Order: sequence, then C-alpha cells, then structure tokens
Amino acid sequence: AQKITQTQPGMFVQEKEAVTLDCTYDTSDQSYGLFWYKQPSSGEMIFLIYQGSYDEQNATEGRYSLNFQKARKSANLVISASQLGDSAMYFCAMRERNYGQNFVFGPGTRLSVLP
Amino acid sequence: DVKVTQSSRYLVKRTGEKVFLECVQDMDHENMFWYRQDPGLGLRLIYFSYDVKMKEKGDIPEGYSVSREKKERFSLILESASTNQTSMYLCASSRTGANYGYTFGSGTRLTVV
Repeated sequence: AQKITQTQPGMFVQEKEAVTLDCTYDTSDQSYGLFWYKQPSSGEMIFLIYQGSYDEQNATEGRYSLNFQKARKSANLVISASQLGDSAMYFCAMRERNYGQNFVFGPGTRLSVLP
Repeated sequence: DVKVTQSSRYLVKRTGEKVFLECVQDMDHENMFWYRQDPGLGLRLIYFSYDVKMKEKGDIPEGYSVSREKKERFSLILESASTNQTSMYLCASSRTGANYGYTFGSGTRLTVV
C-alpha cells in the first residue's frame, strides 16, 4: 500500500494567491517526520519544511506552512502569496523511526503559477 | 554552506560502458542514498549506506552497485550501462532519526546511447 499519497498530479494557482497541496500518509509508527521538498525544472531537490509527529503546532517557514492533522494523517503544504518562481514539482515525504533510515516519497504535485 | 556534491550534472555514455557516479558530502552524515527519478515513476531508491563500507539494497538495485570507502563519499556504479538506465540520478545524505531530512545533490542526468 502507498504510504504517501498526493492526489493532485497538477495544480494551477494565480500569482499572489494562496494554494494548498495535499498529502496523506500511512504509518503505524508513533514517531515520524513529515517533509516537503520542491524540485524546480533544474532538478535539484530543495527542502522546504518539516513537521514532527509530536509537534503540537503547525510548522511554518516564511511563505510555507504545514497544515498537520494527525488524526486524519494529513500534512498539507500551504504556500501563501504565490510567486512565479514557485512553479515546480512538490514532494511530500515521511521518515519513520522504526523503519530504517529511508524516506518514503509521494508521487509529487506539479504546481504552475500563472501571471 | 553545507552541501552534497555530485560530480557531473550531465553525462552521456555508451551502452556497455562502466559508469561511475560520484557523490561527496561535507556534513559528516552517517547515511547516504542513491535514487533515480523517472517521469511517472517518482523517486526510487537504488542503494543506501548507513556507515562506511556498509550498503543496503533499495527498491531497484539490479544493474547497479555502490561503494563507500570513506564516510563522505558514496559512489554509484553501473557495471554495464544500458539504455534503460537513462535517468536522473539523485544523491542524498542525512543523519539518522525521524526528525532529520535529506540534503540532496543537484542531480546527474545520465543518457545511455
């Protein structure tokens, strides 16, 4: 079964508007971390934001915030005030304490910001 | 600025050649990883290493081998390159623990002709 689900293969957003990219996950571990990465067309994977399973507050990093709903096992990325440079692939990933050192990545969402 | 460096950004090799992809990190991370990324297939783990001289197979190890003789360097080897190994290869490193993320290199786009 897929451990990370990103149901939106592609998204469009108008410049300066906010956008939410969905991510749901599946784990039986109590301790885990959730991460979002951005991959522009250049190919490099850029770390955006992290949320720990025991964190009570939603993580924020500048224009990025993570809407963490633990009971629903969702970790949606919210980008506020979209910019043209936000156009990229976005990957949700999870790292579990009890299952080795590997990440599990979602399939990604391609975000296109329209001028 | 801490980083993961992949030796080549673009590489073109011939079928049957032995290919070395090098990855070096300067963060003293225990863990290093090699992924390949293909359209529609996402990121797939080839091999990883959690210590010097240690290696573990990932999801798609066939046709690849790895070497980690020093902590900072993790090499991916294509013993006999084939056209179906044309792909984007991403190296990453991290500390151990659920709260540590990966730091990725800039990737190598390999074309096997």
